[in-house]
Amino acid sequence: RKEVEQDPGPFNVPEGATVAFNCTYSNSASQSFFWYRQDCRKEPKLLMSVYSSGNEDGRFTAQLNRASQYISLLIRDSKLSDSATYLCVVTLSGYALNFGKGTSLLVTP
Amino acid sequence: NAGVTQTPKFQVLKTGQSMTLQCAQDMNHEYMSWYRQDPGMGLRLIHYSVGAGITDQGEVPNGYNVSRSTTEDFPLRLLSAAPSQTSVYFCASSYSKVGARLNEQFFGPGTRLTVL
Repeated sequence: RKEVEQDPGPFNVPEGATVAFNCTYSNSASQSFFWYRQDCRKEPKLLMSVYSSGNEDGRFTAQLNRASQYISLLIRDSKLSDSATYLCVVTLSGYALNFGKGTSLLVTP
Repeated sequence: NAGVTQTPKFQVLKTGQSMTLQCAQDMNHEYMSWYRQDPGMGLRLIHYSVGAGITDQGEVPNGYNVSRSTTEDFPLRLLSAAPSQTSVYFCASSYSKVGARLNEQFFGPGTRLTVL
């Protein structure tokens, strides 16, 4: 079983929609959690860290449920520019990132 | 700052050839790592380094060597290329004190390698 599981999608949503991505991880000792964004044929870039208390950055909200080993990302008021692959990332030791396979989002006009 | 740079951007090798993928960062980051990304597999860690002179294996180290003689550079060597090593390779770096929480990792633009 892969350590980090994501629904690969694709998620096709109209502009202005709200979309949510989910991610589960298998190792309960995992320490740090992130969402990265990757545009087609580009390098991954950090979107946001995920904290137990939940955190928000503009239209993006991330939640962590340690008991269920579950991470979520909510995007409100989707923009065309949000089209990308969203990678759920978990790290146990802090030195090795475990990536999910990514969830593909396409926002349409 | 140039950030994380990788060369070459594209490379085609024949089976059995060797080559070195270059990675450099100018942010004085202690932590550097190499990942490969294959369709349907996500990014997988090959090797990483927590500082000059220190390297360790990741999830998929076989067929690759690394060294870290300076803080800035972290080359990845393919000893005898195989078609299974066809992939996109990303180098990443981060500021992190040993034992402390890993901070944001910055990725290079990637090297697209094809082994025939």
